[in-house]
Amino acid sequence: KQEVTQIPAALSVPEGENLVLNCSFTDSAIYNLQWFRQDPGKGLTSLLLIQSSQREQTSGRLNASLDKSSGRSTLYIAASQPGDSATYLCAAGGSYIPTFGRGTSLIVHP
Amino acid sequence: DVKVTQSSRYLVKRTGEKVFLECVQDMDHENMFWYRQDPGLGLRLIYFSYDVKMKEKGDIPEGYSVSREKKERFSLILESASTNQTSMYLCASSSPGLAGPRVGQFFGPGTRLTVL
Repeated sequence: KQEVTQIPAALSVPEGENLVLNCSFTDSAIYNLQWFRQDPGKGLTSLLLIQSSQREQTSGRLNASLDKSSGRSTLYIAASQPGDSATYLCAAGGSYIPTFGRGTSLIVHP
Repeated sequence: DVKVTQSSRYLVKRTGEKVFLECVQDMDHENMFWYRQDPGLGLRLIYFSYDVKMKEKGDIPEGYSVSREKKERFSLILESASTNQTSMYLCASSSPGLAGPRVGQFFGPGTRLTVL
């Protein structure tokens, strides 16, 4: 059974820092790896999706990488801003049902 | 712009009431999902559906049922609401094998249900 772990569980950084969020998964037979953002009391917003044949995806200040062989994905956030404060979840996509990590709660303070 | 909508953002019900949560997607996705999210427990899958009138139990189906009569609509039913069903309920949809902007899983805004 697929297990997804996100480390750290919580992170607090000053504005302007570049930071890396980690996601590891136990079964490398995934279809894709998706990163989400969740604001308090809201649904999940898709940030980036990496297909299993890809190595990385970029959107603005966000860059996500995927290394299937090691079972790892990272989300890189450049020049963090207070508006980036949220919980970030990753999901390893299977044939029908993705497996979610518990998320990393990020606070970017001014 | 892809969209998943849920019928209510906030809902307050009494113990024993029958509760309907509705979810609609406009992306022509085959798969639809219902999750609940609780602090410290993460996202837990209640039910999913991979086609009209098809449903599969997830990790925590007890106390819930679902209905999918049309491709775009997936309903979650609490037959007799209990206080331990107080939670955030999230609907999602996806379609396997796609490329482009409709690939991956898309979520609705969530329904915060309180059962008194």
